[in-house]
Amino acid sequence: DTAVSQTPKYLVTQMGNDKSIKCEQNLGHDTMYWYKQDSKKFLKIMFSYNNKELIINETVPNRFSPKSPDKAHLNLHINSLELGDSAVYFCASSQEGTDTQYFGPGTRLTVL
Amino acid sequence: AQTVTQSQPEMSVQEAETVTLSCTYDTSESNYYLFWYKQPPSRQMILVIRQEAYKQQNATENRFSVNFQKAAKSFSLKISDSQLGDTAMYFCAFMKRGGAGKSTFGDGTTLTVKP
Repeated sequence: DTAVSQTPKYLVTQMGNDKSIKCEQNLGHDTMYWYKQDSKKFLKIMFSYNNKELIINETVPNRFSPKSPDKAHLNLHINSLELGDSAVYFCASSQEGTDTQYFGPGTRLTVL
Repeated sequence: AQTVTQSQPEMSVQEAETVTLSCTYDTSESNYYLFWYKQPPSRQMILVIRQEAYKQQNATENRFSVNFQKAAKSFSLKISDSQLGDTAMYFCAFMKRGGAGKSTFGDGTTLTVKP
């Protein structure tokens, strides 16, 4: 059973479109994260949710909006996609009070 | 703010030999965690080893071990008996204890194991 899953794994779209990436974890964790890995492989946290509440919001354009319908899901919606949004987006989860984060397989987003 | 520096963008090692990847970090925190993650070509992020800053004993996981020097803010990863499957990008990461899980990653070291 996949612990942290993301859909889709690949996403190719045109500039200006709106797209969403979904993340689900079946580990019973209460904290979930979105990370962005750019073309140079730099990995940086974007958002963190704990029990459906936003607790970390790094300097990210407001075109990016995370949504957590429940503590097992954290979706990322991106409006008006730009070329610079092309990257791999990773979802991760952890249990509050612990340090180990479990990563999903990543979603490679390509904006043309 | 924390910073994590990996000074070796690329490294290579012969199969069965030992290699050490360097990582230094800068923080004013006293209670934190350090991690090494492996990212093979499949792009999956895999936790290799973790170290709690308040523990002096270096962490070990099979062929992987760390040399944690808290005063020097150094956290190197040693891979013994390197295998072809160890070929990957390796990331060093810092997490403040009680910091809501926010991790700061280094820029990564690409390791190639040669047959």
